[in-house]
Amino acid sequence: QQQVKQSPQSLIVQKGGISIINCAYENTAFDYFPWYQQFPGKGPALLIAIRPDVSEKKEGRFTISFNKSAKQFSLHIMDSQPGDSATYFCAANTYGQNFVFGPGTRLSVLP
Amino acid sequence: KAGVTQTPRYLIKTRGQQVTLSCSPISGHRSVSWYQQTPGQGLQFLFEYFSETQRNKGNFPGRFSGRQFSNSRSEMNVSTLELGDSALYLCASSLRTSGSNEQFFGPGTRLTVL
Repeated sequence: QQQVKQSPQSLIVQKGGISIINCAYENTAFDYFPWYQQFPGKGPALLIAIRPDVSEKKEGRFTISFNKSAKQFSLHIMDSQPGDSATYFCAANTYGQNFVFGPGTRLSVLP
Repeated sequence: KAGVTQTPRYLIKTRGQQVTLSCSPISGHRSVSWYQQTPGQGLQFLFEYFSETQRNKGNFPGRFSGRQFSNSRSEMNVSTLELGDSALYLCASSLRTSGSNEQFFGPGTRLTVL
């Protein structure tokens, strides 16, 4: 019940395209859902996060869509750029408890 | 504001040795969490310290331990190293106040066990 599933494992997108990464969870107590971006040799960087009281959050080219009833959330990267090529992790958390991370999605944006 | 810092950035040890890793959180952050990242297992939670007390613990053997000091800096110790302990060890800091779940990662310490 603590697991967060993430798909796809890898994703190849053309420059200017839309990248979509999906995550699903079981624990309905989770109340915070962040996405992290990690470049090789670096630590994960917080990209964008959402709480279950909203269905969508947008920051620049990055959008989180959240479906509480389906217990799913997704990251959309609009106008994908080669510089977006990285590994993306979704996560879930209940305040005061540890974060649970998805296994990651390796995104490659072709020039 | 300075980010999370970790030292050392790289370590090479041999089996049976022990190692201590250090993490300095963002100024004002009182919570430090440690993670092990490997290609096969992803990001695995080790433990969290808040106000010098361990608050949460993951499913790792007792060889993995940690502590936090009064200035919120944290150390992680791994004793009797095994080959499988080779990984990127990440620490993350957070305010851990009501309404704030945000967690920020450091660059990690790459540990290689030979």
